[in-house]
Amino acid sequence: GENVEQHPSTLSVQEGDSAVIKCTYSDSASNYFPWYKQELGKGPQLIIDIRSNVGEKKDQRIAVTLNKTAKHFSLHITETQPEDSAVYFCAAIPGTYKYIFGTGTRLKVLA
Amino acid sequence: EAGVAQSPRYKIIEKRQSVAFWCNPISGHATLYWYQQILGQGPKLLIQFQNNGVVDDSQLPKDRFSAERLKGVDSTLKIQPAKLEDSAVYLCASSLDPGDTEAFFGQGTRLTVV
Repeated sequence: GENVEQHPSTLSVQEGDSAVIKCTYSDSASNYFPWYKQELGKGPQLIIDIRSNVGEKKDQRIAVTLNKTAKHFSLHITETQPEDSAVYFCAAIPGTYKYIFGTGTRLKVLA
Repeated sequence: EAGVAQSPRYKIIEKRQSVAFWCNPISGHATLYWYQQILGQGPKLLIQFQNNGVVDDSQLPKDRFSAERLKGVDSTLKIQPAKLEDSAVYLCASSLDPGDTEAFFGQGTRLTVV
């Protein structure tokens, strides 16, 4: 069935360093790949997304890359700051329009 | 623009009791989703509405969970009777269209079943 794997489950980085979170998906029909940030006690919020006709997208310190052949996509955060600490979820949307979320990555940025 | 509103924020009930959650999506959003998020896991889709029709409820435990979206706007999710394993955060989300458009999430309702 449809599945999204996300790694790592936890990630600690020093402030100013980069963080990379990786996801793989199973359904080749997936064509939309959003990334959500969830802070404690809040619902997930979209931070960046990419569609299947694009290989890379960047928004200030955040970038996402997509490799359709390998069925994986990654989130890159540069110059990390303490406020980047949160749980990050990737998702893949297959032809059924159903969001399939990854298991989440808890990012800790150490000051 | 007002976001997705959910209530209550927190609920504690005993097992075998019933509970209901309410969601008001962003105005104009045709698609509404209910997700269950167990601690430490990603959100799992329970049910997806397109206007007031059900698009996907394949992962909804229909023996105890029910949901409706009357008039294609607000939605309620009910659990009856609740089990201990239903303890989770229930998230409501809405999007303008189904498919490759951003889903906006509410803050969720944290349910504890004791």
